[in-house]
Amino acid sequence: GIQVEQSPPDLILQEGANSTLRCNFSDSVNNLQWFHQNPWGQLINLFYIPSGTKQNGRLSATTVATERYSLLYISSSQTTDSGVYFCAVKRGSTLGRLYFGRGTQLTVWP
Amino acid sequence: NAGVMQNPRHLVRRRGQEARLRCSPMKGHSHVYWYRQLPEEGLKFMVYLQKENIIDESGMPKERFSAEFPKEGPSILRIQQVVRGDSAAYFCASSPGGQVITEAFFGQGTRLTVV
Repeated sequence: GIQVEQSPPDLILQEGANSTLRCNFSDSVNNLQWFHQNPWGQLINLFYIPSGTKQNGRLSATTVATERYSLLYISSSQTTDSGVYFCAVKRGSTLGRLYFGRGTQLTVWP
Repeated sequence: NAGVMQNPRHLVRRRGQEARLRCSPMKGHSHVYWYRQLPEEGLKFMVYLQKENIIDESGMPKERFSAEFPKEGPSILRIQQVVRGDSAAYFCASSPGGQVITEAFFGQGTRLTVV
């Protein structure tokens, strides 16, 4: 399978700070998604970004497929951003299954 | 447009009982994936199903676990004779088709606790 490594594993921020989360993957992929798992356990789709850059409000993401990494940027953090951020990738030969990283646990303090 | 629906949200079973988890895919989606999340870990793939067909079950434990996606009705993940180690969150995702590279959407999960 594909190895997906996320860093840092834990991140503690003050409200208003910016942060960058990283996802490295071990093989070429044709799909990459970022998810936010909120404190209630729900998985929220943030970005579907196999390549390029996307922005959605205070969040943006960049995937450089040729170098096998993706970055998630969170600007002006809010307490509601707390939770676990997962990166997941898919390879064409794997019949649609996603491979997940272990996540980055983000805690934003007021 | 309803999302992926899973029920129940929480399920408590005694050791040795059976657990049945249900997943209704998004409207228009005919492919379903089941994942398991152990505490403080990422999601791990279990099985990929199409209507009336198992496409990939390489992530399913060999014993006690089974899954189906009948022509009518939701997909069912069944765990027989549950043990404490089965306690986890089980998530279901759906997509329109296996060969189409699309975004996957997840349900809210079923949290199984075995006592």
